[in-house]
Amino acid sequence: DADVTQTPRNRITKTGKRIMLECSQTKGHDRMYWYRQDPGLGLRLIYYSFDVKDINKGEISDGYSVSRQAQAKFSLSLESAIPNQTALYFCATSDPRQGISGYTFGSGTRLTVV
Amino acid sequence: GESVGLHLPTLSVQEGDNSIINCAYSNSASDYFIWYKQESGKGPQFIIDIRSNMDKRQGQRVTVLLNKTVKHLSLQIAATQPGDSAVYFCAENNNAGNMLTFGGGTRLMVKP
Repeated sequence: DADVTQTPRNRITKTGKRIMLECSQTKGHDRMYWYRQDPGLGLRLIYYSFDVKDINKGEISDGYSVSRQAQAKFSLSLESAIPNQTALYFCATSDPRQGISGYTFGSGTRLTVV
Repeated sequence: GESVGLHLPTLSVQEGDNSIINCAYSNSASDYFIWYKQESGKGPQFIIDIRSNMDKRQGQRVTVLLNKTVKHLSLQIAATQPGDSAVYFCAENNNAGNMLTFGGGTRLMVKP
């Protein structure tokens, strides 16, 4: 089983719909992140959480919200999806005690907004 | 603003040759610089990192060079294999909490 699992893997939704992307991890890491990747570009940080009570905005948080339901779960919501939110979304986890090599990404969710 | 970028979007090499992928960065305060490999349909995978107080680090078939004078990072892959075909990203680590700033990626294509 994957250490960081994202669901769904692929999703097509209509403009204006609310959609939730889910991430769960078995690594026991306190820190979790949501990134967005557009074609030809690197990943950009949307939101991050250092523990269950902690939520922080990243570089591109507008139009998104998150929920850290438990240490192992971090979900990303698009309240009203728009076409320019079509992208590949990655969840990641880290533990600062393990160093940067312990930063682990999920396999991604490909979201298309039509 | 601060950014991490790459010089070449696509690199094509012959199997068995050495590959060099380059990256320019602008945030001299970063503590770590990292190289990731991303294969189609997968998330980025850690390859190697280097601390800002080092100028060279070697792994298995890979070497990362850091030139802080010109803010340049490179990844060298020895004896490139078809399995090395992927997109490679450099990233820098924000000390404030493991946040990563990524460059735009270089696609490495290995010709048999």
